[in-house]
Amino acid sequence: DVKVTQSSRYLVKRTGEKVFLECVQDMDHENMFWYRQDPGLGLRLIYFSYDVKMKEKGDIPEGYSVSREKKERFSLILESASTNQTSMYLCASSPGQVHQPQHFGDGTRLSIL
Amino acid sequence: RKEVEQDPGPFNVPEGATVAFNCTYSNSASQSFFWYRQDCRKEPKLLMSVYSSGNEDGRFTAQLNRASQYISLLIRDSKLSDSATYLCVVNPGRILTGGGNKLTFGTGTQLKVEL
Repeated sequence: DVKVTQSSRYLVKRTGEKVFLECVQDMDHENMFWYRQDPGLGLRLIYFSYDVKMKEKGDIPEGYSVSREKKERFSLILESASTNQTSMYLCASSPGQVHQPQHFGDGTRLSIL
Repeated sequence: RKEVEQDPGPFNVPEGATVAFNCTYSNSASQSFFWYRQDCRKEPKLLMSVYSSGNEDGRFTAQLNRASQYISLLIRDSKLSDSATYLCVVNPGRILTGGGNKLTFGTGTQLKVEL
């Protein structure tokens, strides 16, 4: 079974803080993704990575950056947290073949006060 | 028009009922399709892939209609444990540089199975 592990289930931070969300997968997948999920809006892609040190912007990258220094680890960084970044953050991974589904971690519920 | 559209529900059905969800997609070049299940405050989990010929997994049947650009999920003999949100997921055909695909997620259909 694919295992995608996110570092925290719940996190509370203050406006202006730099926030790090970590994700690790154990299946040697090439692709890793960060989404946020908000009521009524579904999953929205923030950033993804298809290889170590490679990244591409998703649909809503503003206010976020990412880092992929090792194949198994993909970090999401909120440079200066704001209240509108309060959300559920989901990490996913998929292998480097077409037509493959993505596998999700159990999510981080982030609150920015 | 949204890339993937689903009726948000909720669908409230009695235990043992048969329920069907539809999902439409806008990109005719879409190549693969999935249904995910998401329980309240949990992550989405792959329920099943959807193949051109239709496929069945126990009480669950998925079908694809490329001409009309919709996919469906049928759940027979509903259980209380089937209560969840069902996400329709489409691969619009963009292949990532390293292989693999970017997926587009619907906003989900909520199912509540009641005694």
